[in-house]
Amino acid sequence: GIQVEQSPPDLILQEGANSTLRCNFSDSVNNLQWFHQNPWGQLINLFYIPSGTKQNGRLSATTVATERYSLLYISSSQTTDSGVYFCAVPARGYQKVTFGTGTKLQVIP
Amino acid sequence: DSGVTQTPKHLITATGQRVTLRCSPRSGDLSVYWYQQSLDQGLQFLIQYYNGEERAKGNILERFSAQQFPDLHSELNLSSLELGDSALYFCASSVGGGGHTEAFFGQGTRLTVV
Repeated sequence: GIQVEQSPPDLILQEGANSTLRCNFSDSVNNLQWFHQNPWGQLINLFYIPSGTKQNGRLSATTVATERYSLLYISSSQTTDSGVYFCAVPARGYQKVTFGTGTKLQVIP
Repeated sequence: DSGVTQTPKHLITATGQRVTLRCSPRSGDLSVYWYQQSLDQGLQFLIQYYNGEERAKGNILERFSAQQFPDLHSELNLSSLELGDSALYFCASSVGGGGHTEAFFGQGTRLTVV
């Protein structure tokens, strides 16, 4: 099946700093989503981004499907950004959505 | 609020017991997915239903089963529970069944087996 790797696995930021999270996948995809799992366990949709670039406030994401990666940018980080960030992809021909390994982000005041 | 409803939110039960987790998808969504997230682990795909029929199967144990009813809600049945089954169980829904449409997740059911 498709392999989805995220980097870095762990990240500690000072409040106000910027960061880039990366998601690499091993096969062609026709969909990619980014999620934030907050400290209470809730999974929150951030982006649905099969290709191109999208922005939502301080967050933006870019997917380059031909090169099999996606980036999530967090600017001016806040303590509420803490949690785990997952990317998730279905491979072409596969029904299930496979989650990446996650990036655990801690933003400190 | 994602529009996906899972009940119960928390469940504590003893080893050997059987429990049923329930999921109501977003209005208009035909696909329901079930995922398991053990402590400090990623999300493992269990099973998918589309419009009442099983569409895809992941690493779901034989002790676990699921179904999707005509009103499109889904239930995940876990039997002969073991300590290792303690986890957060998520349900997600999407309009399409091919993985190419956006999936939305419920708040999860936290299962503790004692």
